[in-house]
Amino acid sequence: EVQLVESGGDLVQPGRSLTLSCTASGFTFGDYSMSWFRQVPGKGLEWVAFVRSKAYGGTIENAASVKGRFTISRDDSKSIAYLQMNSLKTEDTALYYCARSISHHQCDPWGQGTLVTVSS
Amino acid sequence: DIQMTQSPSSVSASVGDRVTITCRANQGIDTWLAWFQQKPGKAPKLLIYTASTLHSGVPSRFSGSGSGTDFTLTISSLQPEDFATYFCQQAKSFPLTFGGGTKVEIK
Repeated sequence: EVQLVESGGDLVQPGRSLTLSCTASGFTFGDYSMSWFRQVPGKGLEWVAFVRSKAYGGTIENAASVKGRFTISRDDSKSIAYLQMNSLKTEDTALYYCARSISHHQCDPWGQGTLVTVSS
Repeated sequence: DIQMTQSPSSVSASVGDRVTITCRANQGIDTWLAWFQQKPGKAPKLLIYTASTLHSGVPSRFSGSGSGTDFTLTISSLQPEDFATYFCQQAKSFPLTFGGGTKVEIK
C-alpha cells in the first residue's frame, strides 16, 4: 500500500524553527517528486514547496509566502521528505500535508497531515 | 500567479441528483487541472487529473471536462458518501494554486 506519514508538528513560538518529516512506503520514493501543502482547518488549501526527483535534477520550488524561511529536501535512501521551517510566523499555523506527484504536479496520495501551531 | 475561481461555493443536493461544479482559471492552463475530494478531518483525495482522467479506484459517476480556462467536475448520481468539499487545482505552473472549494451538502 502506498502511504505517506507526516510527523514533527508541534506548538512553537514565533521566530522559532521546526522540521517536518514525510516518511514514504509502498513505492520507490526516489522515482517521484514530492510536495508540501498546508491548510488552516476549515479553510482552503495552499501549496508550500516542491522537490523534484533526482531524475529531474532534484531542484526545488517554493511559495512566495515561505521563500527564504522554509526549505524542502529529500533523503531517497530513507524515503523521507523534509520541510525545514525557520522564522515561523503566526500565519504559518496550519495542518501540513505531504503528497506524491504522480503527473505534472498533480498529487496522490496525501498523508494524514501534521499540525503546526505558532503562538506565543 | 494563476488564480482559480470555483463555483458555487456550496450546493445542496439530494441522493441521486446530478451535481456540476465549475472551476475557472484566469489564464490558460491547457488541461493541467486536478480535482480533489475532502471530507472533514481527512486529507484531500485525488479524483480527476489532467482535467478528465479518472484516478484509479474513483467511481465512474465522477467525470471531469474542460481545457484552457474553463473546467467542470460532474457527479452523475450523487451518493451518500459524496457529501464533502471539492477543490480544483491548477498544475500548469508554480505556484500551484487551488480554487476556494465547493461544499456539497445534503438537501
